Amino acid sequence: SQQGEEDPQALSIQEGENATMNCSYKTSINNLQWYRQNSGRGLVHLILIRSNEREKHSGRLRVTLDTSKKSSSLLITASRAADTASYFCATDTFNKFYFGSGTKLNVKP
Amino acid sequence: GAGVSQSPRYKVAKRGQDVALRCDPISGHVSLFWYQQALGQGPEFLTYFQNEAQLDKSGLPSDRFFAERPEGSVSTLKIQRTQQEDSAVYLCASSLNPRGAQNIQYFGAGTRLSVL
Repeated sequence: SQQGEEDPQALSIQEGENATMNCSYKTSINNLQWYRQNSGRGLVHLILIRSNEREKHSGRLRVTLDTSKKSSSLLITASRAADTASYFCATDTFNKFYFGSGTKLNVKP
Repeated sequence: GAGVSQSPRYKVAKRGQDVALRCDPISGHVSLFWYQQALGQGPEFLTYFQNEAQLDKSGLPSDRFFAERPEGSVSTLKIQRTQQEDSAVYLCASSLNPRGAQNIQYFGAGTRLSVL
């Protein structure tokens, strides 16, 4: 079974809007990462946030981490049609790497 | 190489056949992971190599699954006597450092296995 769970399972927005995805997990982590997967492709790393960090930015991406609630969120600002993909959170628990079930994001032009 | 390469991209097998899936990690990467991804789901961990040593095979679903990385670079995932439930995308990922460091995983495009 997977440790992480994303919410929502699917999200459809208009280009230019912001997209927020949430991830919850169960055990202590070394870090939490977000990955993106286009249909039929492998996963691409987006951003890593360490367990002692609360917020991190990379371009149009903003990630928060709340270790007390065991949750993280990924915000994509000013979305583009090219952001259409599945997004997965992955928890690194020192010994294991767990992926959530993903959020399927559709950005309509 | 420039990235993680997996072959074949697609494999169709008859039930009961043996299959071998290949992964070429990024040169110099110590860690290599295999994952199984069912349709609409996230990747599920199968096994982990640090160089040539298979340090974790706790995710392998049965003894029909076997993986090796004999020289610490290329890895092969073998599935014997394939069953329909083995149909999935098999992803390989490599990382520069051993597991436990702040590692980013670099993924191949995967092998889509269909067992008829």
